[in-house]
Amino acid sequence: DTEVTQTPKHLVMGMTNKKSLKCEQHMGHRAMYWYKQKAKKPPELMFVYSYEKLSINESVPSRFSPECPNSSLLNLHLHALQPEDSALYLCASSQILGQLSYNSPLHFGNGTRLTVT
Amino acid sequence: GQQVMQIPQYQHVQEGEDFTTYCNSSTTLSNIQWYKQRPGGHPVFLIQLVKSGEVKKQKRLTFQFGEAKKNSSLHITATQTTDVGTYFCAGFNAGGTSYGKLTFGQGTILTVHP
Repeated sequence: DTEVTQTPKHLVMGMTNKKSLKCEQHMGHRAMYWYKQKAKKPPELMFVYSYEKLSINESVPSRFSPECPNSSLLNLHLHALQPEDSALYLCASSQILGQLSYNSPLHFGNGTRLTVT
Repeated sequence: GQQVMQIPQYQHVQEGEDFTTYCNSSTTLSNIQWYKQRPGGHPVFLIQLVKSGEVKKQKRLTFQFGEAKKNSSLHITATQTTDVGTYFCAGFNAGGTSYGKLTFGQGTILTVHP
């Protein structure tokens, strides 16, 4: 069982569709992340929100648009995706320690398996 | 930028054999974390190492952080079929990057033959 909940589990969308991925956590974590993972590859960081503000954008194409409505929710809005965007999209959360001298462990959700046709 | 190299990429063992995966960073790390991802699953946090030369054990798993804080290893004694999965290390350099920017190794895919 995971304490980070992602919906939907699977998503198939066309290149002209608009869809959203959702993520929720109730652990009081103030850092939330979006990762993209291709088969047999490590998770690839896309975005980080710290205290509900976007702190890291890893030069992600604008067809991916993140949103953090509050400290428990994280969304990823998708528009005009390409077939190569098909992947497992993982949400994660972590604590933010005061001294920021090391990164707290990540708690991952089950992921959304996205297929773009 | 920071790089974390992880070897081997694949490891096939007979049940009962030992297994080790190694990570090497191009820069000194503030901390390193290990994750396990079962086939079809998501990464699950195993352990975090922070101190130079640190060694931590979890049952049959032994984790080490090098004295220079640039390398780490995960050793599994007497593997079981439940150990199957991909093991990732992930390093963080507080002085060289933003909070939240972990650098993942490429992962080691472990298969265990009964």
